[in-house]
Amino acid sequence: EAQVTQNPRYLITVTGKKLTVTCSQNMNHEYMSWYRQDPGLGLRQIYYSMNVEVTDKGDVPEGYKVSRKEKRNFPLILESPSPNQTSLYFCASRKGASGSYEQYFGPGTRLTVT
Amino acid sequence: AQSVTQLGSHVSVSEGALVLLRCNYSSSVPPYLFWYVQYPNQGLQLLLKYTTGATLVKGINGFEAEFKKSETSFHLTKPSAHMSDAAEYFCAVSGPGTGNTPLVFGKGTRLSVIA
Repeated sequence: EAQVTQNPRYLITVTGKKLTVTCSQNMNHEYMSWYRQDPGLGLRQIYYSMNVEVTDKGDVPEGYKVSRKEKRNFPLILESPSPNQTSLYFCASRKGASGSYEQYFGPGTRLTVT
Repeated sequence: AQSVTQLGSHVSVSEGALVLLRCNYSSSVPPYLFWYVQYPNQGLQLLLKYTTGATLVKGINGFEAEFKKSETSFHLTKPSAHMSDAAEYFCAVSGPGTGNTPLVFGKGTRLSVIA
């Protein structure tokens, strides 16, 4: 089954404790992206990757890092989480560079930073 | 910059009634347009999309949307609502072009269906 998986689905942590949210897709997609969803704001892009070793900032990158060492994986790293990063996070992938391609979303990771 | 406006953060309809969720976009060139649905505790699922060609697009679960360039709109409709349609709906735009063409989302519309 074609899918995007994320782990963990739920995470409660404390301020400053480094964490990683994993994302993996099995569709051999080139383009991957992270979004955060906040009430009343919709989804906003954090980082994206056009291919292996090619990553760049989206609209709200502050406080986040990513890496793309393998085509299928795109982890999101919070080196020093803060309460304003409490949010619902989605990883997504699409086939290629064109914006006409559908993006496939993972099930989401609900993060709470206390 | 592209932007999306969804009119109404919450829409309530009776079962069997028409569903109309409104979406207007702002873009200097005709973009690609998408509607996604999000059920509780789940990720986003594509309902339908418009890229080129026919302006009336049919999607899954009986939904359709019409791209109206003159009105910069892409409203989502369904003739008869079912209880299972209760969810949050997001309109999004992307592109055109290649490179980083992220989805720019509206703030979402929560649809409630009353029995």
